Amino acid sequence: ETGVTQSPTHLIKTRGQQVTLRCSSQSGHNTVSWYQQALGQGPQFIFQYYREEENGRGNFPPRFSGLQFPNYSSELNVNALELDDSALYLCASSPRGTSNTGELFFGEGSRLTVL
Amino acid sequence: RKEVEQDPGPFNVPEGATVAFNCTYSNSASQSFFWYRQDCRKEPKLLMSVYSSGNEDGRFTAQLNRASQYISLLIRDSKLSDSATYLCVANDYKLSFGAGTTVTVRA
Repeated sequence: ETGVTQSPTHLIKTRGQQVTLRCSSQSGHNTVSWYQQALGQGPQFIFQYYREEENGRGNFPPRFSGLQFPNYSSELNVNALELDDSALYLCASSPRGTSNTGELFFGEGSRLTVL
Repeated sequence: RKEVEQDPGPFNVPEGATVAFNCTYSNSASQSFFWYRQDCRKEPKLLMSVYSSGNEDGRFTAQLNRASQYISLLIRDSKLSDSATYLCVANDYKLSFGAGTTVTVRA
């Protein structure tokens, strides 16, 4: 167990809807990253939050947005869902700020299906 | 071009065999490299870091070739429990994951 918890574990939405995924980071970790993992692919970096500020973003459109709260928990919001958004969404926390040792502690993910 | 490319496999090997596979990365500015392991329908977990001089962790050996921009992982004396997908990771300002190499160890 990494101590990173995500909710919900599974959900089904339809095209055009909006979704919010939640993540509680491991105790003592102030950095949270979100990844999208499509079937048969590796995790793709969406963005990272450090001390409530976005601190790096991958190649995802603005309809993917996030928040980090003072307790370092985080949300990922996706608007105007598309079929290709169907994937496993992974949250990862790490104890460092902008430096990156490469060790991310992943949650078990939220599996989103868009119909 | 993908930032990190891997042979997807699968590599099907008997217990006790040695299996090795590579990945290549496109960003020459990448600072550090890692191997993660992902079991079926589970989250990725760090297996080991990869150092320029090469490094071992038990039955696992990782190598980095910066000139050719590739990273390798070798597993000796394979166990059934080594069956998993191995993700190659390059770090610039973010971690870039490959699509993974699937290894199946059979009895």
